[in-house]
Amino acid sequence: DAGITQSPRYKITETGRQVTLMCHQTWSHSYMFWYRQDLGHGLRLIYYSAAADITDKGEVPDGYVVSRSKTENFPLTLESATRSQTSVYFCASSEGGLAGERYFGPGTRLTVT
Amino acid sequence: AQSVTQPDIHITVSEGASLELRCNYSYGATPYLFWYVQSPGQGLQLLLKYFSGDTLVQGIKGFEAEFKRSQSSFNLRKPSVHWSDAAEYFCAVGADTGNQFYFGTGTSLTVIP
Repeated sequence: DAGITQSPRYKITETGRQVTLMCHQTWSHSYMFWYRQDLGHGLRLIYYSAAADITDKGEVPDGYVVSRSKTENFPLTLESATRSQTSVYFCASSEGGLAGERYFGPGTRLTVT
Repeated sequence: AQSVTQPDIHITVSEGASLELRCNYSYGATPYLFWYVQSPGQGLQLLLKYFSGDTLVQGIKGFEAEFKRSQSSFNLRKPSVHWSDAAEYFCAVGADTGNQFYFGTGTSLTVIP
């Protein structure tokens, strides 16, 4: 039972470059989420998706783009990376809707130089 | 607005001692309540959840939590802490009204031998 996988686990990129973080779940959960975790800010929701082709903004969406063409995949793209986007990114899924429990992936540590 | 508070930023306990981590929430109705654990370099793992019914909830790894409506609390407990329990612990609240989900800021647990 793979659950949620994220790739890459570590990424270093330069300012201005586009980078895509991948997220794949094997549970067929309807909802998927992207969070970033930073010291002093805790976990902040970037985007979420209620189903394939349905996405919506979270608390900190600026500079990020998401898509969800298939239920199992939810990639997050930084269109032009900035140093402020250096963070640990977590993908999560839920079968319980927006108020239900999240199941998290292992995270991607992104450094923007 | 709904919120969740973890009053203790950091707690140190001796191995074998009992543990209680505090969580308070603000919400008009009965929320969905969760505890997560995050080991260094890992994603968040769901320890236990409360939706309704018995107010004492058993989770994984020997943890339990008790929902106290009168105190708006959902404290996490473990009778005997192991060195492997050293981690960051997050309380979370889900609310059907407004489809909201909030994480607390976390409590860091250190276990000393």
